[in-house]
Amino acid sequence: AAGVIQSPRHLIKEKRETATLKCYPIPRHDTVYWYQQGPGQDPQFLISFYEKMQSDKGSIPDRFSAQQFSDYHSELNMSSLELGDSALYFCASSLYLRTSGVSYNEQFFGPGTRLTVL
Amino acid sequence: GENVEQHPSTLSVQEGDSAVIKCTYSDSASNYFPWYKQELGKGPQLIIDIRSNVGEKKDQRIAVTLNKTAKHFSLHITETQPEDSAVYFCAASSRTGFQKLVFGTGTRLLVSP
Repeated sequence: AAGVIQSPRHLIKEKRETATLKCYPIPRHDTVYWYQQGPGQDPQFLISFYEKMQSDKGSIPDRFSAQQFSDYHSELNMSSLELGDSALYFCASSLYLRTSGVSYNEQFFGPGTRLTVL
Repeated sequence: GENVEQHPSTLSVQEGDSAVIKCTYSDSASNYFPWYKQELGKGPQLIIDIRSNVGEKKDQRIAVTLNKTAKHFSLHITETQPEDSAVYFCAASSRTGFQKLVFGTGTRLLVSP
């Protein structure tokens, strides 16, 4: 079965540079979530999109921005990179389903992008 | 906001033994509790989940139980195998709609042959 695709898989940047991470959700999935995972830590929610609109926002720095496009792929743009931005960045996708007024979204994660800031 | 605690942080078992990982959550509005397995260098893999309207769910060697009153849920793995070795994360979601996940701190499971 098709999975979430993330590119690039590895990225090395210098401080103060910019980076763009891309996420291609599972076909037919309409919701995308971005998470950041530091070394030895649990994933932390950054931001999510449903039908190209931001649906929720977590601990995402103002230096970061993201969007979802008409084909449902999403991009995370990171500017003025800092050493502390070095981490694994995961994208997860889900299909928004609503049953009896409550939605349940199974989130499927991609392989991640490992960002190293030097 | 939601806070999820997970124990133990590491767990070593012999092949064939059972393993139990426990999580507690803080927000009584949480209604969805998935478990993820993460192998080195890979993304988290959804292995089982439970909704707040059921108390137990089983899938082959894996089972999850939920106690809403006590606000805790557990992952049970029976007949462990070396390939079960990985980091396991519990998570909770407290919103209906677009459910961002709040993760526990992870349990490193090591299954020795």
